[in-house]
This record gives sequence, C-alpha cells and structure tokens, in this order.
Amino acid sequence: DIQMTQSPSSLSAAVGDRVSITCRASQNIDIYLNWYQQKPGKAPKLLIHVASALESGVPSRFSGSGSGTDFTLTISSLQPEDFATYYCQQSYSPPGAFGQGTRLDIK
Amino acid sequence: EVQLVQSGGVVVKPGGTLRVSCEASGFAFDEKAMHWVRQVPGKGLEWLSSISWDGGTTDYTDSVKGRFTISRDNTKSSLFLQVDSLTFEDTGFYYCAKDTGNLGELSLTLDHWGQGTLVTVSA
Repeated sequence: DIQMTQSPSSLSAAVGDRVSITCRASQNIDIYLNWYQQKPGKAPKLLIHVASALESGVPSRFSGSGSGTDFTLTISSLQPEDFATYYCQQSYSPPGAFGQGTRLDIK
Repeated sequence: EVQLVQSGGVVVKPGGTLRVSCEASGFAFDEKAMHWVRQVPGKGLEWLSSISWDGGTTDYTDSVKGRFTISRDNTKSSLFLQVDSLTFEDTGFYYCAKDTGNLGELSLTLDHWGQGTLVTVSA
C-alpha cells in the first residue's frame, strides 16, 4: 500500500505570511494527490485535487504543485480563516491513504 | 445542494456490532462511488473503505478487513458501514464521503462529507 508522509506536523505563522506544506508518497503517484482543510469540530473540505486543480470557491491564495512522489501546498498570504489542519491524500489507487496532517496555528 | 446526513452518535460495548448510516440527497447517488473515513479524536484521518456505484466492488484498508462491511441501498440513497467485534480502538468519528468520479469511475477524491458520527466503545 502507498504511504503518505507530511511535513511539518505543525507550523506557526502570522497573518500575511507565505507558508508551504510538503507531502511525500512512498511510490510514484503521478499527479493523483489531493489536499483537504479541516477546522475543529468540522468535516474535512476538499481544497485541491490532482495536485494543482483548485476546487470551486477556494481562494486563489491556495496553490498546489508536484508530481511523482513530492508535492507542496502553498498559501501565499495567510488569512485568519486559514488556521486549520491540512491533510494530503493519494488518489492513485486504493486504499486512499491520508498523510498524518499539518496543524497550522497563529504565531 | 449535496447533502450527506449521518446517523447519530452511539455508545457500544467491546465485542459488539454497530451499523452507521449515511443518507444522500442532491445528486445522483446511484452514479457515484462512496467512502468511509475515520478520525480518532485529536488524531488524523484514516481512509477505511469504498464501494462502487452499484455495490459490486468494495475496498478496505488492511487494518479493518474482515471486521468492517460497507454496503449501499441505491433505492434509498443510503450508505452503510457495519463494524463487528468492536474494540476500544474503534472509538472515533466516522465520516461518509462522496467520490467525484463520473460514470461509475472511482476517483478516490472526496468532495462532499457527512457531518460525522461519533462512535464510542466503552464497557
């Protein structure tokens, strides 16, 4: 099975900062990588699919890149509503494993 | 509007069985694969299982094979997860989620989620 590893596991940043979260797959998954945002007490929300395609309604400050085994989620200018936990997930083949998550909080 | 409404939270004893349900509306349920994802409180997301649009194909993560059963009733736009031989480690939130794949394709991309069902395993 494909394993997903995110880094860092937690991150502190200020409003307006540019931040990046990385995700590594244990084998080549082409561009089949999704990013989700989860806020406390809420279900996850799909942000980006196939590595770089932004979901409808997601602000353009979010972007995704990468292919093969290494991927990055970047938030260009953090807004207060962006402080949350972010998960990557491979969609190459079942089981659809998630990374362990990156908690982004306010510095 | 797509909606996935899950059954309410439950407390069950170790060794018992439970069934979580998810009722869908706002989309052609019988054309979409569906998934279950678990989250232990304070921990990360764990993909558990998927089922094809017609129920003919199911997949499970290795750790739940043999104890978890995913099923669906397209006549009632409903998805189910049965868990047998419950252990304390099964405590957590269980989410149903809709696959984005078209024409029966399994994309493993989850674009709508239920509100979650808290399952507590306690003696």
